[in-house]
Amino acid sequence: EAGVVQSPRYKIIEKKQPVAFWCNPISGHNTLYWYRQNLGQGPELLIRYENEEAVDDSQLPKDRFSAERLKGVDSTLKIQPAELGDSAVYLCASSLAGVNEQFFGPGTRLTVL
Amino acid sequence: DAKTTQPTSMDCAEGRAANLPCNHSTISGNEYVYWYRQIHSQGPQYIIHGLKNNETNEMASLIITEDRKSSTLILPHATLRDTAVYYCIVWNFGNEKLTFGTGTRLTIIP
Repeated sequence: EAGVVQSPRYKIIEKKQPVAFWCNPISGHNTLYWYRQNLGQGPELLIRYENEEAVDDSQLPKDRFSAERLKGVDSTLKIQPAELGDSAVYLCASSLAGVNEQFFGPGTRLTVL
Repeated sequence: DAKTTQPTSMDCAEGRAANLPCNHSTISGNEYVYWYRQIHSQGPQYIIHGLKNNETNEMASLIITEDRKSSTLILPHATLRDTAVYYCIVWNFGNEKLTFGTGTRLTIIP
C-alpha cells in the first residue's frame, strides 16, 4: 500500500515568490493534516481537514497561507508571498476519522532566500 | 492538552534495550499517551499508544505508571536504525490535534 505522497521534496525560492505543495493521502483516509516543522523543533499543525472541510485552521497564517482539499482527496498548501521565516519542512499526514494513528509523508523542505 | 517533559538526548548501545522516559504529570483521565519517532529526513512514524495499561507491539513496549504521571517507551533490542527523535505526546479524543514537543534524540552506538 502506498504511503502519503508529497511533492516536491525540495523547493528553493526567492522571498516574495509564491510556492505550492501537494499531498496525496493514503487511500480511504478522510482526515488530512498539514504541519510545519522548523529546524530542531517538533511539527506544528497548520490545518486539519475532515473530507473537504477545514475543521481546524486556527494555526494557519491566513494572510499569506491558503489550503484546499478539493473532492476530499488530494490537498494543496500555498504560500503567497513567501517570507524568509517560512523556510521549514512542510509535512502532510493522513488518518482514518477518529483514529489518531497519523501517517506522515516525507515532507517538502522549503528554503526561502 | 497536558504537557510532556522528555530528556533532550540519550545514547544506547546497539543490541541493548533503550528506555525513553516521559513525564506527563498533568495528564487527565481521558488522555492517552502516544509515541512517535522521526528518523532523519523522514516524516514522523507512529510507534505505540496507551491509556493506563502497559502495551506492547512489534516495535516497542509502553509502560505507564499507576498514577499515569509518567511513562517509558522501551525498544527491547536497539539497532542502528532506531536512531531518531522520539516524541511523547498526550492526546484526547476531544482534540484531534497532536502537539509535538522537541522530543528525545536517541542515538544508538555501534
